[in-house]
Amino acid sequence: GESVGLHLPTLSVQEGDNSIINCAYSNSASDYFIWYKQESGKGPQFIIDIRSNMDKRQGQRVTVLLNKTVKHLSLQIAATQPGDSAVYFCANNAGNMLTFGGGTRLMVKP
Amino acid sequence: GAGVSQSPSNKVTEKGKDVELRCDPISGHTALYWYRQSLGQGLEFLIYFQGNSAPDKSGLPSDRFSAERTGGSVSTLTIQRTQQEDSAVYLCASSFPPLSGNTIYFGEGSWLTVV
Repeated sequence: GESVGLHLPTLSVQEGDNSIINCAYSNSASDYFIWYKQESGKGPQFIIDIRSNMDKRQGQRVTVLLNKTVKHLSLQIAATQPGDSAVYFCANNAGNMLTFGGGTRLMVKP
Repeated sequence: GAGVSQSPSNKVTEKGKDVELRCDPISGHTALYWYRQSLGQGLEFLIYFQGNSAPDKSGLPSDRFSAERTGGSVSTLTIQRTQQEDSAVYLCASSFPPLSGNTIYFGEGSWLTVV
């Protein structure tokens, strides 16, 4: 993903529904992928990661899916709660660093 | 401490002044990263330290930016002759190496405003 400045892509969901946040990456050599959650005024918080030898990994209420063929990563959040409202970033490794997507804002309607 | 600690949490400085931002990584983590995040933007890589190896400085935007890591632990990011475009959140992170498969944890950031 690329940064779009202040106008982040926004996903608005009803409380209790499932959320799906998508991310595209470009580095074919990446073998490690992470999703971070960032609440206003805070640093990024690790949610879940996945290695390239897997295509799916589940955590508590979250699932990450990796499609290496099309270089696509998604984060699924089950039974979305108001506390899930935040900006979500995908990241992939590139040499010594993580490269981050531009972020998606998730808004949960009560 | 249990997490990555950064100071100051907020800094307002006048254009042209130098600033120093400090990062205390998670104990035992040998890899340390600095990222910059402008308002509403994603994270921009600045510099990476791993043990006693030479740092990867490929992300530093200009020679006004420098960083040190003393004793393999605490790191200081220095910005000389600050400009208004330097206003951003400066995030520090740490991990065990290698990056692949080892979670990288972020601090809460140092919010820099240049006026």
